[in-house]
Formats: sequence, structure tokens, C-alpha cells
Amino acid sequence: DQQVKQNSPSLSVQEGRISILNCDYTNSMFDYFLWYKKYPAEGPTFLISISSIKDKNEDGRFTVFLNKSAKHLSLHIVPSQPGDSAVYFCAASERGQNFVFGPGTRLSVLP
Amino acid sequence: DTEVTQTPKHLVMGMTNKKSLKCEQHMGHRAMYWYKQKAKKPPELMFVYSYEKLSINESVPSRFSPECPNSSLLNLHLHALQPEDSALYLCASSQDPQGRGYGYTFGSGTRLTVV
Repeated sequence: DQQVKQNSPSLSVQEGRISILNCDYTNSMFDYFLWYKKYPAEGPTFLISISSIKDKNEDGRFTVFLNKSAKHLSLHIVPSQPGDSAVYFCAASERGQNFVFGPGTRLSVLP
Repeated sequence: DTEVTQTPKHLVMGMTNKKSLKCEQHMGHRAMYWYKQKAKKPPELMFVYSYEKLSINESVPSRFSPECPNSSLLNLHLHALQPEDSALYLCASSQDPQGRGYGYTFGSGTRLTVV
């Protein structure tokens, strides 16, 4: 039973537009969340985090939104660039311990 | 130095071989991790070391044996592996000394093939 779900295996977006990647979780004890980006043949790269005391965290073109009641978070990338094309993993944890990763969403940003 | 360095990048080994994967970081991070990632799957946590002590072992078979000789080095010793153990093995480190995983830095991984 997947505790962290990313229901879209892939997403294509035009350059300059907004990319929205979604993540749902089932464990109500999760209170700290991370987004990672992974290029082929490389390790994941940390992008942005959010804890349950916030509902939004912003870092440059990346914004993560957390809806605790819906157990849902999303990553917004604005504007999307071709270099953003990668697999994006959502990860969730209870107090930052033992992160559980989602299956990933492959984002393709088309020029 | 803001990197986690893993060697080798690629490894092919037979089922009777003994080999080791190495991971090194010089960021002063006191928590280090081994992850296994199969193709098209998310990384799965294997081991966590905090202050050079094993704090988490996620029910990993004994043919995988971790070692943390000092605060900068993490090894994963491999023995009698099976073909299904072929995967990308990722090392990570984090600043959080309790090993809670805040602010991970990942290495680029070792691609292991067991034949």
C-alpha cells in the first residue's frame, strides 16, 4: 500500500508555462515533505521542503503548497524551462525520519 | 566541498564475488544514508548512520553490510548478491545529527549489475 502517491507518471508542459506536480499521502502523521528532482544517471537533487506548520513555501521559480486536510501537496514551477525536464519525487516523513518517496512524475518541458 | 562522492560509478559483479561501494562527504554532515533504487521506482531507504553509529536498518538482507569508518566515509560491503539486487545504489548525507533527514545531499550513485 503506497503511503505517498504521485498519480501522474508523466507531464508535458510548454516552455514558459506553469508546471504543477501533485502528490498525495495517506499517513496523517506525516509532517515534513520534500521535493526532489532527478536527471538520468544522477542522484536526486533536493529542491524544496515544507513542514506542516506552513501551507506554502517559495524558492525562486519553485513553490510548494500543502493542504493538510486533503493530505495533498503540489509543486509549482513558474515559468517552466527545458532544463526542468526530469523526474520529480515527492517524499514525506514523520518528524523528518524515514522518508517515504512517491513513485515520481516525469516532467517534459517542451521548447 | 558540497558534494557526496560515490565510487565506483558502475560495478558488475558475479554472485560469488565480494565488493564494496564507497561514499564520501566533507560537509561535516553527521548523518549518512544508503538507498537502493530500481528502474522507474523511487529510492528505498536501506541504512541510516548517525554519528557513525547504525541507527536504522530497514530489514535489509545480510548480504548487504554497511560500515561507517569515520564521519566522512560510508561503505556498503556486498557478498553473495542475487541478480535481483541489480540497481542504482545511492548514498546521501544530511546536516541533521539525529538522522532525521533534513536537507539531504545525494551522491550520483553506483550502478550495480549482478550477473
